[in-house]
Amino acid sequence: QEHLVQSGAEVKKPGSSAKVSCKASGATFNSYFISWVRQAPGQGLEWMGGIIPLFDTATYAQKFEGRVTITADKSTKIAYMELSSLRSDDTAVYYCARGPTDYYGSGSYSDVWGKGTTVTVSS
Amino acid sequence: DIVMTQSPDSLAVSLGERATITCKSSQSVLYSSNNKNYLAWYQVKPGQPPKLVISWASTRESGVPDRFSGSGSGTDFTLTISSLQAEDVAVYYCQQYYSTPCSFGQGTKLEI
Repeated sequence: QEHLVQSGAEVKKPGSSAKVSCKASGATFNSYFISWVRQAPGQGLEWMGGIIPLFDTATYAQKFEGRVTITADKSTKIAYMELSSLRSDDTAVYYCARGPTDYYGSGSYSDVWGKGTTVTVSS
Repeated sequence: DIVMTQSPDSLAVSLGERATITCKSSQSVLYSSNNKNYLAWYQVKPGQPPKLVISWASTRESGVPDRFSGSGSGTDFTLTISSLQAEDVAVYYCQQYYSTPCSFGQGTKLEI
């Protein structure tokens, strides 16, 4: 059974950056679509971006373009999401999730999720 | 970007009764080349990560009870729980993965 293990909770100052990691346990990490989704307190799910490690090219939601960087290390099977210029409204639980790639669609659904990483932005 | 709109925002259903949630996309998420609808449904309970319930608009995930079903095509989709159980209380989200960004609906809170 595939698992995604995320890094621990972080408390950050406004204007700083947070980098969350997501380690995959399975052997087929490289060919899956790794998504990053966040949920702010009392809010809904928000897709931030994703990457297929094999191709090493990330795609981002326009809302986060310029502030978020998603990368993946194929050798260690770890994906990373770094969010910069943090604001108080970036306080949220950040999830990584895995899904299959598809010849036609450019995105993916997510069938395996990490437990989430809480990032709190506070002065 | 494709906008996903769910209705209703919240829903109260008696135990054993049917629950129906609808999801509408701002453009079709049906790929004509493979005749597949790129639409998923998730269940989110407090303090837990989302759980995939339905993919490809109507394919139930392994282990999901058969009281859950998905239907629809193109721009209009439905998640139905045929006989509501107490453990089904959650917030349900639809998501399109036809194109990035893979947008979610705003969520539907399902209560007893």
